Amino acid sequence: DQQVKQNSPSLSVQEGRISILNCDYTNSMFDYFLWYKKYPAEGPTFLISISSIKDKNEDGRFTVFLNKSAKHLSLHIVPSQPGDSAVYFCAASAPNTGTASKLTFGTGTRLQVTL
Amino acid sequence: NAGVTQTPKFRILKIGQSMTLQCTQDMNHNYMYWYRQDPGMGLKLIYYSVGAGITDKGEVPNGYNVSRSTTEDFPLRLELAAPSQTSVYFCASSWLGPGGNQPQHFGDGTRLSIL
Repeated sequence: DQQVKQNSPSLSVQEGRISILNCDYTNSMFDYFLWYKKYPAEGPTFLISISSIKDKNEDGRFTVFLNKSAKHLSLHIVPSQPGDSAVYFCAASAPNTGTASKLTFGTGTRLQVTL
Repeated sequence: NAGVTQTPKFRILKIGQSMTLQCTQDMNHNYMYWYRQDPGMGLKLIYYSVGAGITDKGEVPNGYNVSRSTTEDFPLRLELAAPSQTSVYFCASSWLGPGGNQPQHFGDGTRLSIL
């Protein structure tokens, strides 16, 4: 049961253009959503998060949008840079109830930013 | 400031052997986690700890054991290695539980092959 889904395994974008990475979820109890970025042979690094009570959060070139009614969030990177080439994971957390102290990760989207 | 350090980076085991994956963090974080990432999949939680002396199971705990005798260290033990445990293992830590603006900090992973 994949509660967090990233349906696009890969995305290629030209440098300077916008990259849009998508994520869908099924669990309406999720209250925070996070994006992590991962380079090869390294661990994931936190990028940006959003609370379920908001619909947008912005940090520099990165903006996350949340559409609760559609159970959908997206990460926008503008402008895209070659250094953004990595695998991006969407993750979600539910309120801490019993053993719910965990993040649920999507399967990742590999972004390649071309020159 | 080293963050989260995992050793070893690579290991090949024979079926039935045992080993301990080491994880240490120097950020004085209360929470620590072990994840595994299989090819093309997201990270799945194996075990987590909310503080020294306290551990709990995640999604996929079978075949693993953990201990948390200090705040800094959270080793993961494989007792009888099986081919299904071939994976990349990530250790992570955070101040509080997952979610919100309490991102998890990840180590660079241990790539484990069971042959």
